[in-house]
Amino acid sequence: DQQVKQNSPSLSVQEGRISILNCDYTNSMFDYFLWYKKYPAEGPTFLISISSIKDKNEDGRFTVFLNKSAKHLSLHIVPSQPGDSAVYFCAAPLSGGYNKLIFGAGTRLAVHP
Amino acid sequence: DAGITQSPRHKVTETGTPVTLRCHQTENHRYMYWYRQDPGHGLRLIHYSYGVKDTDKGEVSDGYSVSRSKTEDFLLTLESATSSQTSVYFCAISGGALETQYFGPGTRLLVL
Repeated sequence: DQQVKQNSPSLSVQEGRISILNCDYTNSMFDYFLWYKKYPAEGPTFLISISSIKDKNEDGRFTVFLNKSAKHLSLHIVPSQPGDSAVYFCAAPLSGGYNKLIFGAGTRLAVHP
Repeated sequence: DAGITQSPRHKVTETGTPVTLRCHQTENHRYMYWYRQDPGHGLRLIHYSYGVKDTDKGEVSDGYSVSRSKTEDFLLTLESATSSQTSVYFCAISGGALETQYFGPGTRLLVL
C-alpha cells in the first residue's frame, strides 16, 4: 500500500521554463511533507518542506503547494536550470514519532538547454 | 555537508553470505536510519535507531538486523544475503524527531 505516490516516473523540461512535479498521498493523518533531491551516485538532499497548516511554501526558485482536500502536493521550479536535473522524491513522516519517513517512488527531471 | 560516511561504497557478494554495512557520523545526532532504494519503490525504511542500543524495525526489515553500540556508528547486517537484497543502501541521521534527515552517499550492494 503506497501511502505516498509519484505517478510520473520522468519529466523533461526546457531550460528557463517551469517544472511541476506532483505527489499524491492517501493517509489524511500526514501533517508534514518534504521534498528531497537526488543526483546519481549521491545521497538524497533535503530541498523544501511544508506543514499541513500551510498551502504554500517558497524558497527561491522552489515552491511547494499543498491541497489537503485533494491529498495532493506539487513542487514548482521556476525557472528550471540544467543543474536541477535529478530525481525528486516527496516524503512524509509516519505517525508514531521517530521521524520515520515514507517516500514516493521518485520523478526523474531532465532540464534541457 | 553533514558528516556521514558509509562503508563499503560498493560490494559484490554471493548468496548466503553475511554482509555488514557501516554508517558513521560525526554530528552526534541521536537518530539514525537505514533505507534501501530500488527502482519503482523510492526509499524504504529498513531499521532505525533512536539512541545507543535502541533500535526498531522499519517497513522492510525481514532479513536484516542492526546494532548501535556507539552514538556514531550504526551497522546493518544481512544475515544471509539473497539476490532480492541487491540494492543501494542509504544511511541517514537526524538530530531530533522533527528535524531534517541527512543522508550518506550510499552503498551499492550486488548479491550474486
